[in-house]
Amino acid sequence: KAGVTQTPRYLIKTRGQQVTLSCSPISGHRSVSWYQQTPGQGLQFLFEYFSETQRNKGNFPGRFSGRQFSNSRSEMNVSTLELGDSALYLCASSLVGQDTGELFFGEGSRLTVL
Amino acid sequence: AQSVTQLDSQVPVFEEAPVELRCNYSSSVSVYLFWYVQYPNQGLQLLLKYLSGSTLVKSINGFEAEFNKSQTSFHLRKPSVHISDTAEYFCAVDRGGGYQKVTFGTGTKLQVIP
Repeated sequence: KAGVTQTPRYLIKTRGQQVTLSCSPISGHRSVSWYQQTPGQGLQFLFEYFSETQRNKGNFPGRFSGRQFSNSRSEMNVSTLELGDSALYLCASSLVGQDTGELFFGEGSRLTVL
Repeated sequence: AQSVTQLDSQVPVFEEAPVELRCNYSSSVSVYLFWYVQYPNQGLQLLLKYLSGSTLVKSINGFEAEFNKSQTSFHLRKPSVHISDTAEYFCAVDRGGGYQKVTFGTGTKLQVIP
């Protein structure tokens, strides 16, 4: 069974640009969550999608947005990039109905903003 | 609201020595507890979890953690570490209920010294 796939793995952008990251969950997993990981801050929850609906949202500005498609694939977008957006963005999928919070992570997309 | 505290950001330990990584949580409801491990340039992997039942849970590679409700702790231990255990370890809590909003601690970097 294929794991969670995130693309691209690495990308470099400049301030003011926007970026779109993609996540393909494990087959059969309908919940997709996004996290921002930075040194010293750990993992900060961005949002969670289930059946194309955003169910939970973390404390991030509106520049951070996401969506989920009917095949459960998800994208997140960051507009008007700032230097502080440099981070590893992790996507995780889970099997809803399991009700235990166990997450399966991709390897992440490392974003560098110059 | 729930929160997780990992007081130790880095823990150096000699190979074959025992180690304990500390985790304390705060929540107004019952929670599920997890330890995830992140190896360099990879996403997070589930190491072990406490859902209910026995308060002592074990992983396949020798780690164990004990849920202590009175002290709201879920410390991770291993009696003898190996070089391959060098990684970052994250404690996490989830309130369940089918809504995935797992809260992570800031992580503890375990450095095993040969």
